[in-house]
Amino acid sequence: DAGVIQSPRHEVTEMGQEVTLRCKPISGHNSLFWYRQTMMRGLELLIYFNNNVPIDDSGMPEDRFSAKMPNASFSTLKIQPSEPRDSAVYFCASSFRGEGTEAFFGQGTRLTVV
Amino acid sequence: KQEVTQIPAALSVPEGENLVLNCSFTDSAIYNLQWFRQDPGKGLTSLLLIQSSQREQTSGRLNASLDKSSGRSTLYIAASQPGDSATYLCAVGGNTGFQKLVFGTGTRLLVSP
Repeated sequence: DAGVIQSPRHEVTEMGQEVTLRCKPISGHNSLFWYRQTMMRGLELLIYFNNNVPIDDSGMPEDRFSAKMPNASFSTLKIQPSEPRDSAVYFCASSFRGEGTEAFFGQGTRLTVV
Repeated sequence: KQEVTQIPAALSVPEGENLVLNCSFTDSAIYNLQWFRQDPGKGLTSLLLIQSSQREQTSGRLNASLDKSSGRSTLYIAASQPGDSATYLCAVGGNTGFQKLVFGTGTRLLVSP
């Protein structure tokens, strides 16, 4: 398997624009997670899905953030409108549900909002 | 709320030294604990996963231990090499059955030749 695949790797956008980040989890994994990494706050969980259903979105910072998982092989994280403070590295991870299952991370999307 | 702390924040050692990275967490009701490595500008690579019922896991030169009752884990790296230079992150999984992780702040390791 190619692992968790994220796109784009880098995104530079102007404040106020819509940004869409994409993730393809490892085939067969039934849980998918979106994390954000900043220097100030480290790695934080934004939202996670199980069997394509959102389980907990309490980490989503504002209503400007939304995430979807229309099928088992694809998820999006959308920011609309984007702001400079959204600049961060966004990671997607996937795993099986259950004890003893590792989480595998994608390479991340580095987002810069100017 | 689970809080994860890693000490030291940074560590610089000469090649060949054995070293220990520390991780502590405030809520002992965890499902498992996972150690990751992150290279600059890269994603996270899983190194070791310790289940809540286990005491330690080993992979090559790496050994991770878990003392759930005291809220501590250590990552032991034997015979360090320059290629081990990276940031090491520990993360704890809560007792929900989902691999929902709370991360520590990381230890930045530099191994000099």
